Amino acid sequence: GIQVEQSPPDLILQEGANSTLRCNFSDSVNNLQWFHQNPWGQLINLFYIPSGTKQNGRLSATTVATERYSLLYISSSQTTDSGVYFCAVPSGGYNKLIFGAGTRLAVHP
Amino acid sequence: NAGVTQTPKFQVLKTGQSMTLQCAQDMNHEYMSWYRQDPGMGLRLIHYSVGAGITDQGEVPNGYNVSRSTTEDFPLRLLSAAPSQTSVYFCASSYSAGLNTEAFFGQGTRLTVV
Repeated sequence: GIQVEQSPPDLILQEGANSTLRCNFSDSVNNLQWFHQNPWGQLINLFYIPSGTKQNGRLSATTVATERYSLLYISSSQTTDSGVYFCAVPSGGYNKLIFGAGTRLAVHP
Repeated sequence: NAGVTQTPKFQVLKTGQSMTLQCAQDMNHEYMSWYRQDPGMGLRLIHYSVGAGITDQGEVPNGYNVSRSTTEDFPLRLLSAAPSQTSVYFCASSYSAGLNTEAFFGQGTRLTVV
C-alpha cells in the first residue's frame, strides 16, 4: 500500500519564526489533507489540497502531485501553533486515509 | 452545525468488558469511518462504511464490530476489551466515499483498558 512519510519528526521554534513541514507519499494520490492536532488531542482540518497551493492566514500548503510531495508552511509562528501536524492521503479505494507519523511542533515564547 | 459528535470523551474499562463508542454526524455524509491513534503514531483505520447497511474492514479491525443502520450513526463496538485496545479513537465522515472528498473528524474518545 501507499507509504506516507513526514519530516522533520520534531521541530522547536521561537515565536515569530517560519517553518516548512514536508509530506512525501509513495504513489499517485487523488487528494491530500493536512491536519493540526492541538494539545487537547482535537484534529483540526487545515487544508484539503490535491494539487496546487492554498493559503489560510499564516499557513499555506503546496502539493506537487507529479513529484509526490506536499509542503506546509507556517509563517510568524505562535505558541498556539504547537501540536502535531499530520498529512493523510486516500488509499485502496474509497476515502480510506493513510496518515503519516506526524511532525511534532513546539513553539516557545 | 455540530459536525461529527463522539461520545463518551473518556472511558475506563476492565479487561473483558464490552462497550460501544458512539459516533453521529449531521452533515448527511455518505462515508463514515473509525480510526485509532496510539502514542506517537498517526491514525490507523479500523472499519469504514460507504452507506447505510454497508461496512467493511480497515487496517486493524480485530476486536471491533460496526454496523450502520442509519446515515447519521456509526457505532463502534468493543466485544471483549483488552489492554492492547487502550488508545484514542476517532470517528470521521466525508460527503461521499469517493477519493476526492474532504474528511472531518470528531473530537475523539480516549479509552483505557485496565
